[in-house]
Amino acid sequence: RKEVEQDPGPFNVPEGATVAFNCTYSNSASQSFFWYRQDCRKEPKLLMSVYSSGNEDGRFTAQLNRASQYISLLIRDSKLSDSATYLCVVNRGTSYGKLTFGQGTILTVHP
Amino acid sequence: EAQVTQNPRYLITVTGKKLTVTCSQNMNHEYMSWYRQDPGLGLRQIYYSMNVEVTDKGDVPEGYKVSRKEKRNFPLILESPSPNQTSLYFCASSTGGRNQPQHFGDGTRLSIL
Repeated sequence: RKEVEQDPGPFNVPEGATVAFNCTYSNSASQSFFWYRQDCRKEPKLLMSVYSSGNEDGRFTAQLNRASQYISLLIRDSKLSDSATYLCVVNRGTSYGKLTFGQGTILTVHP
Repeated sequence: EAQVTQNPRYLITVTGKKLTVTCSQNMNHEYMSWYRQDPGLGLRQIYYSMNVEVTDKGDVPEGYKVSRKEKRNFPLILESPSPNQTSLYFCASSTGGRNQPQHFGDGTRLSIL
């Protein structure tokens, strides 16, 4: 089993749609969780950190389920500019320095 | 402007010719890290550094060396590059600690012939 697994997609959704991605992780000791976005082989950029209580930033909501070891990202009212690859990132165990990236989920938002 | 700067951005070279990819950050970050990105494999961590003179292996350290003599610089050294090290490389830095986001450089595309 991979340490961090994501559905690679692609997800093709119309503008205005709501879309959700899940990511599972295998190390129960992990403590740091993030969602990054990456545009067409450019550098990854932080979208949001994921906190235990869940957090929201505008149209984006992130949730953490420690019992089932997954994190999720919900995007509401999708925009064309949301088209990108979304990367799930988890630290490995108790060391915040060791990070594992998922392979990414491709999202395409069409008119 | 706060940034992570990698050089070179592109390099084509031959097997066995030592090369160094530099990484510099101007944010006084303690933590720095190197990744490679390959199709189908995602980003994989090569080495990371929690502070000056402290470096640790990531998932794929074989064939690479790093050093952290100063806080701002974290060069990646390929002593004897091989074709399987052809990849897109990213350097990143952060303040360190739990939930601290990483800031990435623009990437370096290496081709080893």
